[in-house]
Amino acid sequence: GESVGLHLPTLSVQEGDNSIINCAYSNSASDYFIWYKQESGKGPQFIIDIRSNMDKRQGQRVTVLLNKTVKHLSLQIAATQPGDSAVYFCAENRNYKLSFGAGTTVTVRA
Amino acid sequence: GAGVSQSPSNKVTEKGKDVELRCDPISGHTALYWYRQSLGQGLEFLIYFQGNSAPDKSGLPSDRFSAERTGGSVSTLTIQRTQQEDSAVYLCASSLPGANTEAFFGQGTRLTVV
Repeated sequence: GESVGLHLPTLSVQEGDNSIINCAYSNSASDYFIWYKQESGKGPQFIIDIRSNMDKRQGQRVTVLLNKTVKHLSLQIAATQPGDSAVYFCAENRNYKLSFGAGTTVTVRA
Repeated sequence: GAGVSQSPSNKVTEKGKDVELRCDPISGHTALYWYRQSLGQGLEFLIYFQGNSAPDKSGLPSDRFSAERTGGSVSTLTIQRTQQEDSAVYLCASSLPGANTEAFFGQGTRLTVV
């Protein structure tokens, strides 16, 4: 079965607000996590990754938080823009295989 | 090429026919992955290649599915005697060797079995 899962299948956010997308994983041995963004008709695009020896990593407008105690990670998008509308997947990379959750569809309201 | 290239981008086939899907990874990427994505669903792992060998083919759904990779580069996913439930987007990704490396995806092949 799946080892990663997302809490909510959809998220609607007002343009300019911050978005938070959550993901839970079940395998405590997981040591590398990736967030992908997938726009309609395209392949998944890498956003940001984090290793298990970290609890926070920041990119441009995005922050990933990892809580190993409760096996939870989140993706925060600052000042959400219309171009952020997409499906977001968290993925666990273990034993050279990426395991994906079902995805959260983010819709940005103007 | 600059990115992972997949062909064809779209394929419509009749039930019972065989299809071949092609993936051209990023030059130098020894790891190659095939995933399947049904409408509105997440990505289902099919097979992983390291070089020309496939240490993990655990995700292939049936013996109608096979994949090969030659010269450590191009990979072909073959589906024999296609069924309607095979309809999906087939995604290929490649990465540098190593456990914690970013995988780059192609645009996918949308397969429709009628």
